Amino acid sequence: DAGVIQSPRHEVTEMGQEVTLRCKPISGHNSLFWYRQTMMRGLELLIYFNNNVPIDDSGMPEDRFSAKMPNASFSTLKIQPSEPRDSAVYFCASSRQGVDYGYTFGSGTRLTVV
Amino acid sequence: AQSVTQLDSQVPVFEEAPVELRCNYSSSVSVYLFWYVQYPNQGLQLLLKYLSGSTLVESINGFEAEFNKSQTSFHLRKPSVHISDTAEYFCAVGASGTYKYIFGTGTRLKVLA
Repeated sequence: DAGVIQSPRHEVTEMGQEVTLRCKPISGHNSLFWYRQTMMRGLELLIYFNNNVPIDDSGMPEDRFSAKMPNASFSTLKIQPSEPRDSAVYFCASSRQGVDYGYTFGSGTRLTVV
Repeated sequence: AQSVTQLDSQVPVFEEAPVELRCNYSSSVSVYLFWYVQYPNQGLQLLLKYLSGSTLVESINGFEAEFNKSQTSFHLRKPSVHISDTAEYFCAVGASGTYKYIFGTGTRLKVLA
């Protein structure tokens, strides 16, 4: 199993541009999570999908952020327009349903907005 | 609601010395507890977890953690650390029957030669 695959690993973009982060979860996992990690705020849950349906998006910072999961093997997190304060490492994680199975994290996308 | 506190942001320790990374939690319901490790430029990896049963849980690389319900703690220990254990360690709590973790702020373990 290749694990959770995220792309790109690094992204540098100018303020105001659209950014799309991608995630391929582990096959058979029906829960998918997007997290953001910064020095100031630590790990923040942005959104949670179960069986491709968004269940909890209360962590999405504002309307500039959107996430989709069109099928069980792919999810995107989009920021439009991007701002410097969005600079962070964004992680995707997947799990079988339920917190007791533990999460498998991807290697993350380091986003820098200049 | 649950919360988790990692009191130490950084812990320096010499190679082959013992180490304890502290984690305290609060919750009004039954919880599951986890330790994750993050090596530089990598994602988080599950190190060990407590779901039920024996309060002492172990990982394959020599770490152990003990669930202490009366003290609401889940401290991580290793009797002899290696340089390769240098990483950031996150404690997490999840209410049983839910999907969501609450992560601590992390403890950066630096093993010195």
